Amino acid sequence: AQTVTQSQPEMSVQEAETVTLSCTYDTSESNYYLFWYKQPPSRQMILVIRQEAYKQQNATENRFSVNFQKAAKSFSLKISDSQLGDTAMYFCAFMKRRAQKLVFGQGTRLTINP
Amino acid sequence: KAGVTQTPRYLIKTRGQQVTLSCSPISGHRSVSWYQQTPGQGLQFLFEYFSETQRNKGNFPGRFSGRQFSNSRSEMNVSTLELGDSALYLCASSLWTTQADEQFFGPGTRLTVL
Repeated sequence: AQTVTQSQPEMSVQEAETVTLSCTYDTSESNYYLFWYKQPPSRQMILVIRQEAYKQQNATENRFSVNFQKAAKSFSLKISDSQLGDTAMYFCAFMKRRAQKLVFGQGTRLTINP
Repeated sequence: KAGVTQTPRYLIKTRGQQVTLSCSPISGHRSVSWYQQTPGQGLQFLFEYFSETQRNKGNFPGRFSGRQFSNSRSEMNVSTLELGDSALYLCASSLWTTQADEQFFGPGTRLTVL
C-alpha cells in the first residue's frame, strides 16, 4: 500500500516570500503520478501541479514548481512570490498510473500574511 | 465547459437514516471517484466507477455504496448513518486516457449526522 506523509501541519510566510512544502511517499510502484492540490476555505479542491514519475524534469506552473527526488521518494512544492490568494490547505497526493485512486497526505495549512 | 457538480451541497440527517449524494462529472469524463474528508482521518478514497462498473473500492464498510449511470452521473449511498459519517464528500471525474489521468473535483457535499 502507498503512503504519503506531509510533515508540516502548518506554515506561515509573508506575502512575496518563497515557501517550500514538503512531502514524502512510499511505494513499490514504478509508474505513478504525484500531485499537489490546493483547498482554499471554499473547500473546492484545485489541482496545482502534477508530476509523472517517469519524467526526470521537475514540473513548473507559473509561480509553482516541484522538486521531485524519485530515489528519495520526495516531492516538495515551492511557491515563489507568494500571494494572499495562496492561503489554503495544500495536499500532496499519489496515484498509481491508471488506478484513478488518489492517496493523500494529511495536508499543510499555509497562511500568507500581508 | 461546466465543472463537476454535486448535489445537494449541504445535508443534515439523523443517526439510522440513509442518504444519497449525487455527482455529475465534466462532460465527456467517464471515470468518477468519491472521497470522504474528515478532520480526523483526512481524505480517504471511497470508490471509483468507470462505464457503470466499480473498478476500485476503498476500505469502508458495506453501508457505503455507489453506482454510475449510462450518462456517467454517479450516486453514492450511505445507509444506517452513524455520527462518524459526518464529513465532506468529494466527487472527482477524470477523462481517463493515457495522457489525462488527473482528477477534477466538485465542490463537495457537507453531510452532518445528528
